[in-house]
Amino acid sequence: SAVISQKPSRDICQRGTSLTIQCQVDSQVTMMFWYRQQPGQSLTLIATANQGSEATYESGFVIDKFPISRPNLTFSTLTVSNMSPEDSSIYLCSFGQENSYEQYFGPGTRLTVT
Amino acid sequence: QKEVEQNSGPLSVPEGAIASLNCTYSDRGSQSFFWYRQYSGKSPELIMFIYSNGDKEDGRFTAQLNKASQYVSLLIRDSQPSDSATYLCAVGYSSASKIIFGSGTRLSIRP
Repeated sequence: SAVISQKPSRDICQRGTSLTIQCQVDSQVTMMFWYRQQPGQSLTLIATANQGSEATYESGFVIDKFPISRPNLTFSTLTVSNMSPEDSSIYLCSFGQENSYEQYFGPGTRLTVT
Repeated sequence: QKEVEQNSGPLSVPEGAIASLNCTYSDRGSQSFFWYRQYSGKSPELIMFIYSNGDKEDGRFTAQLNKASQYVSLLIRDSQPSDSATYLCAVGYSSASKIIFGSGTRLSIRP
C-alpha cells in the first residue's frame, strides 16, 4: 500500500507567523484530506485538497486561514496563517481513492504556537 | 448534523479477555464504517472496515454492524497490553469520500 509522509514532524512558531506543512504520497491518489486534532480531541476535517482546483473547506475553516495547494496527485500543502496559540494542534493529512471511504493517515505535524 | 458517538472510557480489560468497543451513528444512509487505532503521540491507523450487516473477522479483531440499530462494534479477543490505545470509530458520509470520526474510546489492557 502507499506510504504517506509529512514534514515537518513538529515545529514551534511565534504568534502572527505562518507555517506550511507538506504531505507526500509515494503513489498517485485521488483524494487527499487535511485534519486537525487538538489535544485530547478527535479528528476534525479541515478541507479536501482537490488536484488542480481550489480546496473544499468544511464549516468553520476558511481559505485565508488555511490555504491549501495540491499541484499533482501525490503532493499537497497546508499553510496555517497568522497563527495564534489556539492553532496549537496536530495537523494530519490523509489519502484515499475515489469511490472509497478508506483513508490512510500521515504521521502528523505537531504545531505549538507561542 | 451527522454524529458518531462513542463512550470515551477509559475501558479497562484484563489481559486475555475480550474487549468490546461500541459506536452509534446518526446518518441512516451511511454505508461505510471504520475502526482506527491511535497510540499516544501517533497518527490513526486503519485496522478494520465493514460495509455489510453482520460480522467481519480479521485475526483477533471482529467488527460488527447493525444498520437497523445504527450500531457498530469492535471486539478484540485475547487482549494484549499492546492493544492499549484509543480506538476511533469513523463513518463515511457524502459523495466526496469523507468520513466523520467519533471522539474515541481509550482502552487499557491490564496485565
